[in-house]
Amino acid sequence: AQKITQTQPGMFVQEKEAVTLDCTYDTSDPSYGLFWYKQPSSGEMIFLIYQGSYDQQNATEGRYSLNFQKARKSANLVISASQLGDSAMYFCAMREGSSNTGKLIFGQGTTLQVKP
Amino acid sequence: GAVVSQHPSRVICKSGTSVKIECRSLDFQATTMFWYRQFPKQSLMLMATSNEGSKATYEQGVEKDKFLINHASLTLSTLTVTSAHPEDSSFYICSAYRRVGVAEAFFGQGTRLTVV
Repeated sequence: AQKITQTQPGMFVQEKEAVTLDCTYDTSDPSYGLFWYKQPSSGEMIFLIYQGSYDQQNATEGRYSLNFQKARKSANLVISASQLGDSAMYFCAMREGSSNTGKLIFGQGTTLQVKP
Repeated sequence: GAVVSQHPSRVICKSGTSVKIECRSLDFQATTMFWYRQFPKQSLMLMATSNEGSKATYEQGVEKDKFLINHASLTLSTLTVTSAHPEDSSFYICSAYRRVGVAEAFFGQGTRLTVV
C-alpha cells in the first residue's frame, strides 16, 4: 500500500504568489518524521523542511512552511512568495519509527512551475 | 550541512559491461548509506541499504547479483551495475545518514546511467 501520496503530478503558480503542495501519509507507527525535498532539473535532492510526529507546532523554514494535520495524516508544503527558482520537482518523504538510519519512503512527486 | 559526493555524474556504457558508481561522505562518517533509483519524472525507489562492514540489505525485487553494493569504509559506498542492459538506464542517487539538526539524509548529486 502506498505510504506517501502526492496527488498533484504538476502545479503552476504565478511568481510572488503562494502555493500548496499536498502530501498524505499512512503509518501505524506513532513515531515518524516527514520531510520535503526539492529536486531541480540537475537531479540533486535539496532538503527543505522537517516535521516530527510529536512536534506541537507546524515547521517553518524561511519561505517554506509545513501544514501538519496529524488527524488527517497530511503534511502539505506551503511555499510563500514563489520565485522562478522554485520551479522543480518536490518530494514528500517519511521516515517511520524512531530508528535513526535515514531510510526514507518517497511520494510520487509534484512538478512545480513558477510563471513570471 | 553535510556533504555527499557521488561520482560519476554521467556515464554511458555498452550493453554487457559493468559500471561502478561511488558515493562518498566528505566530512562525516556514514555507517549507513542508501541507494535509490529514479526513472524520469518518477519517484525515488529505494534499492538497498548499505551498511559499513556488512552485507547490504536489498529491497524486494532488486537483484542483488546485478546491483552489487560494497561499503568498505565509513566514507565510501559503491554500487556496481553488472552486465548492464538498456533497461538499467536510469538515474541512480545515494544518500548517507547523519543527524544534523533535523536533517537526516544527505544526498549525492546522482548518476545518470545510459546503457547503449
